[in-house]
Amino acid sequence: QKEVEQNSGPLSVPEGAIASLNCTYSDRGSQSFFWYRQYSGKSPELIMFIYSNGDKEDGRFTAQLNKASQYVSLLIRDSQPSDSATYLCAFSSGSARQLTFGSGTQLTVLP
Amino acid sequence: EAGVVQSPRYKIIEKKQPVAFWCNPISGHNTLYWYRQNLGQGPELLIRYENEEAVDDSQLPKDRFSAERLKGVDSTLKIQPAELGDSAVYLCASSLGGTRKNYGYTFGSGTRLTVV
Repeated sequence: QKEVEQNSGPLSVPEGAIASLNCTYSDRGSQSFFWYRQYSGKSPELIMFIYSNGDKEDGRFTAQLNKASQYVSLLIRDSQPSDSATYLCAFSSGSARQLTFGSGTQLTVLP
Repeated sequence: EAGVVQSPRYKIIEKKQPVAFWCNPISGHNTLYWYRQNLGQGPELLIRYENEEAVDDSQLPKDRFSAERLKGVDSTLKIQPAELGDSAVYLCASSLGGTRKNYGYTFGSGTRLTVV
């Protein structure tokens, strides 16, 4: 079993809709969770991080963490074509200050 | 503030040839990472440095890969000899480190390596 599982997609949503991206992880020692956005041919850029159960909002983005169920999600409200990218989920655990990444979910927002 | 700087951006080499990648992290960032990203996959850690010390190199193929971070700033990743399967994007990242929970790091633009 992979440490981080993401639906590879592709996921398509119409402009203005809510895009929901999900990630499950296997390591119960995982402490912090990160969402990165990666445009084609570019390097990943950090969108959000979360380490407490519940929701964390930043503009149009909301990260949700449920440690009991071992999943983390990212909601993008009012999706825009510029949100079209691959979204990578990542986590860290224990004392290791390094991230383990999922394979990413490709999102396409249709105009 | 300058971001993480990597060079070269692209490199095409023949198999069995050596290749080196260079990374300059964000000023003040003690922790430096080298990741490899294959097409359609997430980045995979190769090595992590805390200052000049390699604290996790368990995923680095040591028979052909080597890395160094002299003086705890710039870092070089080398492959010798390169194999066809080494074709990937090599990403360098840096972070402040420490005990803060948010140590999401900043990636450089990467080096796209093609081995032919």
